[in-house]
Amino acid sequence: EVQLVESGGGLVQPGGSLRLSCAASGFTFSSYDMHWVRQATGKGLEWVSAIASGGDTYYTGSVKGRFTISRENAKNSLYLQMNSLRAGDTAVYYCARGGEIGFDPWGQGTLVTVSS
Amino acid sequence: QSVLTQPPSASGTPGQRVTISCSGSSSNIGSNYVYWYQQLPGTAPKVLMYRNDQRPSGVPARFSGSKSGTSASLAISGLRSEDEADYYCAAWDDSLSGWVFGGGTKLTVL
Repeated sequence: EVQLVESGGGLVQPGGSLRLSCAASGFTFSSYDMHWVRQATGKGLEWVSAIASGGDTYYTGSVKGRFTISRENAKNSLYLQMNSLRAGDTAVYYCARGGEIGFDPWGQGTLVTVSS
Repeated sequence: QSVLTQPPSASGTPGQRVTISCSGSSSNIGSNYVYWYQQLPGTAPKVLMYRNDQRPSGVPARFSGSKSGTSASLAISGLRSEDEADYYCAAWDDSLSGWVFGGGTKLTVL
C-alpha cells in the first residue's frame, strides 16, 4: 500500500524554524516528484514546494528564501525546512506524491502553528 | 486571491447534475492539464480527475471533466449525499513555475 506519513509539526514563535518530514512507503520513492501543499484552517489548498526525482526544486513565491525542500532517497523521506516563520504560514502541511494522475496520494497532514 | 477562479459554493438535490467551473489564463489552464481534487470533511484531498478528463481507477463514472481554452469544468451527475465535499481545480502555471489551485467550491447536497 502506498503511504505517506508527515511529522514534525507544532507550535513555533514568529521568526522561528521548524523541519517537517514525510515518510514514504509502498513505492519506489526515488522515481517520483514530491510536493508539499498547505491548508490554513477553513481555507483552500496552496501548493508550497516540489522536488523532482532528479533533484530540481520549486517554491511558491511567498516561501522562496525561507523554506527549503529536500529528499533523502535512501531513507524514503521528504523534508521541508521552514525558517523565518510567519503567522501566515500557520496551516496543515500535506506531503503528496506527484505523477501522471496528479497529487496522489496525500498524507494525513501535520499542523504548523506560528504564534507567540 | 487564488490564481484559478472557482465559485465558492454549489448545490443540488440527490439525482441532479451539478457543474463546477474553474477559470484560469493562458499560462496555466490554457497551456497545461487540469486536475480536480475532492476533499471530504476532515480528510486529506484525493484526486478526482487528471489530465482534464481522465478518471483514476475507483472514481465513479458519474464524475466527468472537460476543458476549453482557459476554463475547465467538473460535472457530477446522479448527485449523491456522499458527494458533499470541497472540490478544487489545479494546474501547472508556466509563468509562476509552480502549481496553482482554485479557491475551492463547497458542494452541498440538499
